[in-house]
Amino acid sequence: DGGITQSPKYLFRKEGQNVTLSCEQNLNHDAMYWYRQDPGQGLRLIYYSQIVNDFQKGDIAEGYSVSREKKESFPLTVTSAQKNPTAFYLCASSIDRGRGNIQYFGAGTRLSVL
Amino acid sequence: DAKTTQPPSMDCAEGRAANLPCNHSTISGNEYVYWYRQIHSQGPQYIIHGLKNNETNEMASLIITEDRKSSTLILPHATLRDTAVYYCIVRGGSQGNLIFGKGTKLSVKP
Repeated sequence: DGGITQSPKYLFRKEGQNVTLSCEQNLNHDAMYWYRQDPGQGLRLIYYSQIVNDFQKGDIAEGYSVSREKKESFPLTVTSAQKNPTAFYLCASSIDRGRGNIQYFGAGTRLSVL
Repeated sequence: DAKTTQPPSMDCAEGRAANLPCNHSTISGNEYVYWYRQIHSQGPQYIIHGLKNNETNEMASLIITEDRKSSTLILPHATLRDTAVYYCIVRGGSQGNLIFGKGTKLSVKP
């Protein structure tokens, strides 16, 4: 099936540990995004990438890092510098066909701190 | 900040039409209105989007006022599975990302 796959579904981080969240898409989309959602809140943009080997910071990039070595993959690393990492993380991808830009989301990864 | 205003919650009887309003009075001429929904603990799901004409697909209809300052999402025959938070979004930000507000929590009741 075509779509966006996020893994793992649940992740636990120890103090001082870096963890990496996986996001893979087979939709041949150029752009990919990472959002964070806290309970009862909307989504906030962490990082985004419009093309391979290029990415930009979003509104809340501190304590996070990304890479975009392949079109299909956009992993997010939550570093030890992120002091409040407990949240629901959502990956999305999109393609602009000249009639708006529709983003499609994965099922999310729920990260908790041990 | 989100560029849209939505009621925080709405109820709808199962089988009836659900009409979800959204105000976006500062929308620019080339900005689209997008609707997404999020069922608890899942990723947001795209529903429909439009620029100035009314739109319909298999999920819903989107009615945009002539001045484009507001719109209404219509679910013609709501079911219990339509219970979710519905987000009205005007595509904004220099990054092209979607700016999510708090949305409308729609509860469909038997």
